[in-house]
Amino acid sequence: RKEVEQDPGPFNVPEGATVAFNCTYSNSASQSFFWYRQDCRKEPKLLMSVYSSGNEDGRFTAQLNRASQYISLLIRDSKLSDSATYLCVVNLYNNNDMRFGAGTRLTVKP
Amino acid sequence: EAGVTQSPTHLIKTRGQQATLRCSPISGHTSVYWYQQALGLGLQFLLWYDEGEERNRGNFPPRFSGRQFPNYSSELNVNALELEDSALYLCASSSATATAYEQYFGPGTRLTVT
Repeated sequence: RKEVEQDPGPFNVPEGATVAFNCTYSNSASQSFFWYRQDCRKEPKLLMSVYSSGNEDGRFTAQLNRASQYISLLIRDSKLSDSATYLCVVNLYNNNDMRFGAGTRLTVKP
Repeated sequence: EAGVTQSPTHLIKTRGQQATLRCSPISGHTSVYWYQQALGLGLQFLLWYDEGEERNRGNFPPRFSGRQFPNYSSELNVNALELEDSALYLCASSSATATAYEQYFGPGTRLTVT
């Protein structure tokens, strides 16, 4: 089983749609979780950390379910500029050792 | 505040040669990470350096090596280059004092092996 698994997509949605990405992780001791965004041929950029109680940043909502070892990212009111690959990242041992999912590709169309 | 910088931007080598990639972390960050991202694939963890020492390495052969200097900058060396080493090599840095170990990436070095 992979350490971090994501649905590769691609997700093709119209502007204004709500889209949700899921991610599962294998190590139950994992402590920190993140979502990164990577545009084509660019470096990944931190989108948001994921906190136990869930957190929201504008149109983006992240949820964590430790019992199911599952993380989600919800994007509301999708914009064309949201088109990118979204990477789920898990800190395995509460240190600096991070594992990246393969990413879910999103295309928002007019 | 300056971000993570990497050099060179592009590097073209022939099979069997050696490549050296460089990374400067964000000021105040002591940890540096190296990742390989082949075209269309996810990030594969290569190496992690902290305070000048190698803390962990991914599932890569020994011809991938590196080091971290006293100023926390880092070098990645790839010996005996193979065609499949062609990829984007990303460097990231983080602060040991951060509670969430967030990593910040440089723009990458695109290595092409012919």
